[in-house]
Amino acid sequence: QSVLTQPPSASGTPGQRVTISCSGSSSNIGSNTVNWYQQLPGTAPKLLIYSNNQRPSGVPDRFSGSKSGTSASLAISGLQSEDEADYYCAAWDDSLNGLFGTGTKVTVL
Amino acid sequence: EVQLVQSGTEVKKPGESLKISCKGSGYSFTSYWIGWVRQMPGKGLEWMGIIHPRDSDTRYSPSFQGQVTLSADKSISTAYLQWSSLKASDTAMYYCARRITIFGVVTQRYFDYWGQGTLVTVSS
Repeated sequence: QSVLTQPPSASGTPGQRVTISCSGSSSNIGSNTVNWYQQLPGTAPKLLIYSNNQRPSGVPDRFSGSKSGTSASLAISGLQSEDEADYYCAAWDDSLNGLFGTGTKVTVL
Repeated sequence: EVQLVQSGTEVKKPGESLKISCKGSGYSFTSYWIGWVRQMPGKGLEWMGIIHPRDSDTRYSPSFQGQVTLSADKSISTAYLQWSSLKASDTAMYYCARRITIFGVVTQRYFDYWGQGTLVTVSS
C-alpha cells in the first residue's frame, strides 16, 4: 500500500495543460527528492523527471516537475496524444526504502 | 549504450522455486545499485528491494522481506531475484532498474535505466 497518493486519473484535450499531484509526508517527499516515471501501455517505466524538476536528455520540455513541502506535481503542457500513459511519482523515505505513488492514468480526449 | 536485459517469461506452479535475471551492459556494473520493482496485473509499481553488485549489500522493502532474495554475480554483470516457494499472488511483471545516487545536501536517488520486464505467471 503506497504512502504517496496520486489522483487515479486525469484527462485533457490536445494542447491543454494537465497537472498531476503527489502527496506524501515529512519522512519521504518532505526530506527527499521526487522523481516521475511514465509508463506507456505494455512497456517498462521510463524516467521522466528526476530530482524534483530535472528532465533527462530527450524528454520534451512540455513536461515539468515541482515540489513544495510534502507534495509534488507533474505538469504536462501542450498535451499530445502520445502522452496517454500511466504516470508515477516516486521518492525514497528516511529509512532508504523506495516508494512509488499510486499512479495516475492520463487520457487524451 | 546502457542496457538491462532481463530473462524471459516464466510459467510456474505454486510451491516451485524460481530465479530470474537482469544482465547489465554498457556501464560499470559494480558502480550502481540495481533495484527490483513488481507490477501485478492492472496495478501500480511496487519497490521490492535493491542490491549493490560490488559487495551484494542488500535492502528489502518491509513488504517483501523474507518473501524474495536478491543476489548478484558481478563476474557476469547479472543481478537476480528469486523465490523459494512461489504463490499465485506472485503473478506479476518484474522489472529491474539501475539506480543513480548523487550525494549532496539532499541526496538524489532515481532509476534511470530499466529492463524490459519479466512476466511471471504462477498457476496450478
